[in-house]
Amino acid sequence: EAGVAQSPRYKIIEKRQSVAFWCNPISGHATLYWYQQILGQGPKLLIQFQNNGVVDDSQLPKDRFSAERLKGVDSTLKIQPAKLEDSAVYLCASSPEGTRRQETQYFGPGTRLLVL
Amino acid sequence: AQRVTQPEKLLSVFKGAPVELKCNYSYSGSPELFWYVQYSRQRLQLLLRHISRESIKGFTADLNKGETSFHLKKPFAQEEDSAMYYCALSGGATNKLIFGTGTLLAVQP
Repeated sequence: EAGVAQSPRYKIIEKRQSVAFWCNPISGHATLYWYQQILGQGPKLLIQFQNNGVVDDSQLPKDRFSAERLKGVDSTLKIQPAKLEDSAVYLCASSPEGTRRQETQYFGPGTRLLVL
Repeated sequence: AQRVTQPEKLLSVFKGAPVELKCNYSYSGSPELFWYVQYSRQRLQLLLRHISRESIKGFTADLNKGETSFHLKKPFAQEEDSAMYYCALSGGATNKLIFGTGTLLAVQP
C-alpha cells in the first residue's frame, strides 16, 4: 500500500514569509496528525483530525499556524508569518481510526523547513 | 504532566554486545507505550508496543509500572540496528502520542 505522502520535502524561506505544507494520508485512514520536530527533540503533536474535524489542537500556535482537512482526506498546514523558531521538520502521520490507543501511526517522510 | 524521558542522547556499543535503551514516563493513568525507530534516510516507523508483548528484530520491552519504565533491550546488537529510537506514550481519549527526545544507537563493527 502507498504510504503517507508529503510535499515539499524541503523549504527555505525568510522570516515573516508564509509557507504551506501538504499531506496525503494512507487511503482510508480516518485520522491525520501534524507533528513538529525541532532539531534534537522528539516529534510534538500540533493538530489531530478525525475525518475533517479537529480532535486536538491544543499545541498549535493559532496566531500563526493553521491547518485544514476539508474533505477528510488530504490536509494542508500553513504558517503565516514564519519565525526563526519555526525551523523544524514537519511530520504528517495517519492511522486507521484514531480511537484506539494501541493504534499504529504511519508517518510520512517529513518536510524540512528552514527560516532565515 | 505527561512526559517521556530518554536520558541518553547517544548509545554506542560493539556488534554482539547487549543493548538497553532507557525510557521512563510520567502519566496519571494507564498509558500505552511504544518504541518508534528511524533508520537513516527512512521515515519514522513503529518498532513495537507494550500491549503486544512481541519481539521485533530481536528487541523486547517490558512495561514496569512500579518504576514507570519501558526500557528497550536486545541481547546481541547488530550493525543494522543503528538508528534513532524514540519512546512514546499514548493516553487519554485521542490516541495522542507523546514522544521522548530520542536515543541514537550506534553499533560499531
